Amino acid sequence: AQTVTQSQPEMSVQEAETVTLSCTYDTSESNYYLFWYKQPPSRQMILVIRQEAYKQQNATENRFSVNFQKAAKSFSLKISDSQLGDTAMYFCAFMLPEGGGATNKLIFGTGTLLAVQP
Amino acid sequence: KAGVTQTPRYLIKTRGQQVTLSCSPISGHRSVSWYQQTPGQGLQFLFEYFSETQRNKGNFPGRFSGRQFSNSRSEMNVSTLELGDSALYLCASSLVSGTQYFGPGTRLTVL
Repeated sequence: AQTVTQSQPEMSVQEAETVTLSCTYDTSESNYYLFWYKQPPSRQMILVIRQEAYKQQNATENRFSVNFQKAAKSFSLKISDSQLGDTAMYFCAFMLPEGGGATNKLIFGTGTLLAVQP
Repeated sequence: KAGVTQTPRYLIKTRGQQVTLSCSPISGHRSVSWYQQTPGQGLQFLFEYFSETQRNKGNFPGRFSGRQFSNSRSEMNVSTLELGDSALYLCASSLVSGTQYFGPGTRLTVL
């Protein structure tokens, strides 16, 4: 069974600074997807970034980038130039591709609550 | 394109009652997944529907059920409500498989 671990329950960063959120996962599969979602106080779950395991290049979306280490089963999220609007709960999630026996079943970590301070 | 919509946004029920939640996916999306979010258990997968068929089911009792209609809209039903069913219920849609886009959720309170 796949598991996702986020070991930082809470983090704080100053506006305009850079912060890295950690995520590790466990799987015996070689092909899978990894995601970071953010959930602000509104509770709307918003996709931040996605990574396919077969791609060696780390995904980037504007100020958000990941450090994907497949051998170490690590998937960290770096937020550059932090903004007040980045304050949210951040969830790391794992999913097998179609036909992987658990299509469209996201397995979430417990989340990291990020507070951006002015 | 309009995003995923969920109705109602808030519900208050009493123990023993049943409830039906609705989810309309993004236009063109054929897969709908449901998740339960609670402070104690976090985010847990309930089930996933594609083309009116349940493809995956999480580890929840039979009181939790769902269905999908030909227009891809989905409903989930919880019968004989218990206090522990109080949660935020999230629906997500995707094309066939891959990235899921979430709705705003339905907050269910069981008294």
